[in-house]
Amino acid sequence: GAGVSQTPSNKVTEKGKYVELRCDPISGHTALYWYRQSLGQGPEFLIYFQGTGAADDSGLPNDRFFAVRPEGSVSTLKIQRTERGDSAVYLCASSPTVRARTNTEAFFGQGTRLTVV
Amino acid sequence: AQSVTQLGSHVSVSEGALVLLRCNYSSSVPPYLFWYVQYPNQGLQLLLKYTTGATLVKGINGFEAEFKKSETSFHLTKPSAHMSDAAEYFCAVSSNTGNQFYFGTGTSLTVIP
Repeated sequence: GAGVSQTPSNKVTEKGKYVELRCDPISGHTALYWYRQSLGQGPEFLIYFQGTGAADDSGLPNDRFFAVRPEGSVSTLKIQRTERGDSAVYLCASSPTVRARTNTEAFFGQGTRLTVV
Repeated sequence: AQSVTQLGSHVSVSEGALVLLRCNYSSSVPPYLFWYVQYPNQGLQLLLKYTTGATLVKGINGFEAEFKKSETSFHLTKPSAHMSDAAEYFCAVSSNTGNQFYFGTGTSLTVIP
């Protein structure tokens, strides 16, 4: 597609439930990032994929959070046993490889607003 | 470790006045620096970036920023504010030795008619 696509755009779930958030990056982009943005804050890094593998998952807050990218394109962020504190906008970004680097620019999707009630 | 600090969480300017949004970075290696804009209920859109080369970079919508290594700054400016510039602006840093983008807490720009 023309840009990074995230679905759903909004998700309301009950505390304790499991949710999946989907990201469809720009075609051909090897790098994919997940960020979390709380109200009034900047995006907070969660995880970075290079191809199919998670190259850096140091930002995942705990083991309730997990993400996959099985074919090196679409990625799914999975949150188990959701808590009210997980409520935020989850942003996905992808970036191309330029001169062997993947961090010369990130293209963001519009985000998924997750509300845990 | 890398980080950015954005001074001023809220900035108000009159329409037609100079816009100046401040960003200072911390990086132990040569940084890549970015400014993103976020309109309500939208994703982040790249305004401009500095990776290498000329330290004064021009972006979209008339914005520009200057990389000043001695001041560890990358302030965003626009000579004349327009109502459509009202948005949240984020400064971010990366580097050629890392893969993450680290964002500041953002500056909300209000343009007064």
